[in-house]
Amino acid sequence: AQSVTQLDSHVSVSEGTPVLLRCNYSSSYSPSLFWYVQHPNKGLQLLLKYTSAATLVKGINGFEAEFKKSETSFHLTKPSAHMSDAAEYFCVVSDRNNDMRFGAGTRLTVKP
Amino acid sequence: GAVVSQHPSWVICKSGTSVKIECRSLDFQATTMFWYRQFPKQSLMLMATSNEGSKATYEQGVEKDKFLINHASLTLSTLTVTSAHPEDSSFYICSASLAGVYNEQFFGPGTRLTVL
Repeated sequence: AQSVTQLDSHVSVSEGTPVLLRCNYSSSYSPSLFWYVQHPNKGLQLLLKYTSAATLVKGINGFEAEFKKSETSFHLTKPSAHMSDAAEYFCVVSDRNNDMRFGAGTRLTVKP
Repeated sequence: GAVVSQHPSWVICKSGTSVKIECRSLDFQATTMFWYRQFPKQSLMLMATSNEGSKATYEQGVEKDKFLINHASLTLSTLTVTSAHPEDSSFYICSASLAGVYNEQFFGPGTRLTVL
């Protein structure tokens, strides 16, 4: 069975500084990995996904993530945080059966 | 493309009543739909997976008689919370997978259920 661990429950950055949200995964097969963002009382928005193509994945709003098989990691980064990036972020792993498992989430706070 | 809607977006009901939540794939056919539950400040937990025309598969610990799922067409799945109680209050989110496209689900905006 696959699973993800989001290493930080809360990350706080200043506006304009880099963002790093960490995610480690466990999967018996070659996984697909996703990052979703959820703003308060809103649904999920897909930021980016990895599906066994390029290991460096670029997503929307300037986010990107790198799949590192040797480290079983899929960390999410952004060079410069914006106030509108404040939200909850979920790392998700999916196996070949299309069964998605969510991490516990990381709450990103952006200080002015 | 790949838009999923949910109705209603929020609902308040009295304890003991039943509530139906609809999930629709608006511009694609969804062979599989998923129902998740999210408690405040927590992650999404998969409740059940439903394939069109067959019975839903429930995750361990989810009462199938309490959370009735129907997936009668390729664009519609419904979740009925029967005899709702305050502990059923939660954010319910559905998703749908696109036929022939694996390992990705498209999520609805969610339904906030409050049981008084």
